[in-house]
Amino acid sequence: GNSVTQMEGPVTLSEEAFLTINCTYTATGYPSLFWYVQYPGEGLQLLLKATKADDKGSNKGFEATYRKETTSFHLEKGSVQVSDSAVYFCALSKAGNTGKLIFGQGTTLQVKP
Amino acid sequence: SQTIHQWPATLVQPVGSPLSLECTVEGTSNPNLYWYRQAAGRGLQLLFYSVGIGQISSEVPQNLSASRPQDRQFILSSKKLLLSDSGFYLCAWSVEGPTSGNTIYFGEGSWLTVV
Repeated sequence: GNSVTQMEGPVTLSEEAFLTINCTYTATGYPSLFWYVQYPGEGLQLLLKATKADDKGSNKGFEATYRKETTSFHLEKGSVQVSDSAVYFCALSKAGNTGKLIFGQGTTLQVKP
Repeated sequence: SQTIHQWPATLVQPVGSPLSLECTVEGTSNPNLYWYRQAAGRGLQLLFYSVGIGQISSEVPQNLSASRPQDRQFILSSKKLLLSDSGFYLCAWSVEGPTSGNTIYFGEGSWLTVV
């Protein structure tokens, strides 16, 4: 079946450090891939997405590249800020599957000043 | 632009009491609608989705039900809450289309504590 696996957290970084949160997926065909962010006490916000192989999604300094050969969609940011502290969810959606999302378990990021 | 609202934002309910969470979407027609639940310290689980008025699909057997009385309204209900129903409930919407990439957009969420 389809699934998403994220690196376990929490990830603790100092401000301006480089961030990588690993995400790998299992799916048949060509899913769309997403990163969502959940700030404390809030709902989920779409951070970025990629709909086909080799696409790069980017937003707010975050990037992720759809790698079909490694079935990965790792999230990266060159210089994190305290305000980036949140839970990050990797997810996939299969075309023709009513847009239902399959989520990873989430990775908590803590950025210290 | 499209917006999604759900309410109430927070509620504390006794075991055995009923539940009604409401969600509305504005700025789009015939959206797909979803209810997800996020239990404490865990990921998100899809509970229900709907592709049209009166059309509800359940993903997991449980104590909850969903209804879609209008195109842009989605309601999550329970007749008798259990302690295990506690969690963060998220309503979401999407539209089908070649450019949407099946992107799903979430509401602000509702915190339910069953005591």
